[in-house]
Amino acid sequence: GNSVTQMEGPVTLSEEAFLTINCTYTATGYPSLFWYVQYPGEGLQLLLKATKADDKGSNKGFEATYRKETTSFHLEKGSVQVSDSAVYFCALSGGGGSNYKLTFGKGTLLTVNP
Amino acid sequence: GAGVSQSPRYKVAKRGQDVALRCDPISGHVSLFWYQQALGQGPEFLTYFQNEAQLDKSGLPSDRFFAERPEGSVSTLKIQRTQQEDSAVYLCASSWRGDTGELFFGEGSRLTVL
Repeated sequence: GNSVTQMEGPVTLSEEAFLTINCTYTATGYPSLFWYVQYPGEGLQLLLKATKADDKGSNKGFEATYRKETTSFHLEKGSVQVSDSAVYFCALSGGGGSNYKLTFGKGTLLTVNP
Repeated sequence: GAGVSQSPRYKVAKRGQDVALRCDPISGHVSLFWYQQALGQGPEFLTYFQNEAQLDKSGLPSDRFFAERPEGSVSTLKIQRTQQEDSAVYLCASSWRGDTGELFFGEGSRLTVL
């Protein structure tokens, strides 16, 4: 079945540092890939998505590229801010499973210090 | 408000009690999902509604779990004879369409079974 493996946290960075959170997946076919973010005290919200190989999703300065050859969807940001402190979840849908069912990784806690 | 609303936010139950968790989706959203998130884990799919029809309940852990959405809007997740392993955050999400992976999540209901 489908699965998502993402980088263990927690990750602690200083403001303006470069961020990478690794995510790899296992699926048959061609899944859609997502990053969701959960800010403290809030519900999960979609950060970005990519639906086919070599697509790049981007939002709020974050980017992730759908790499089929390495089955990866790593999240990057060039300069993090304190307000980026949150839990980040990589997820997929489809790819041999149902298009409506999201499979999530375990989440990575990011703390950005001023 | 304009978002997905869940109640209660926190519930403590004694083992063996029945609980009911409510979800008010975003108005007009056809699709509604329930996910279970154990401590330190990513959300796991429980069930999916399109309007009032429950199209997939394959993620419900046992027959003690029951979900309904009788009028295609508000949904209730009921857990009978709660067990300690049911302790988790129960997340509700809604969307215009179920197959895009772009879900709007509530803040969750945290259930603790003693």
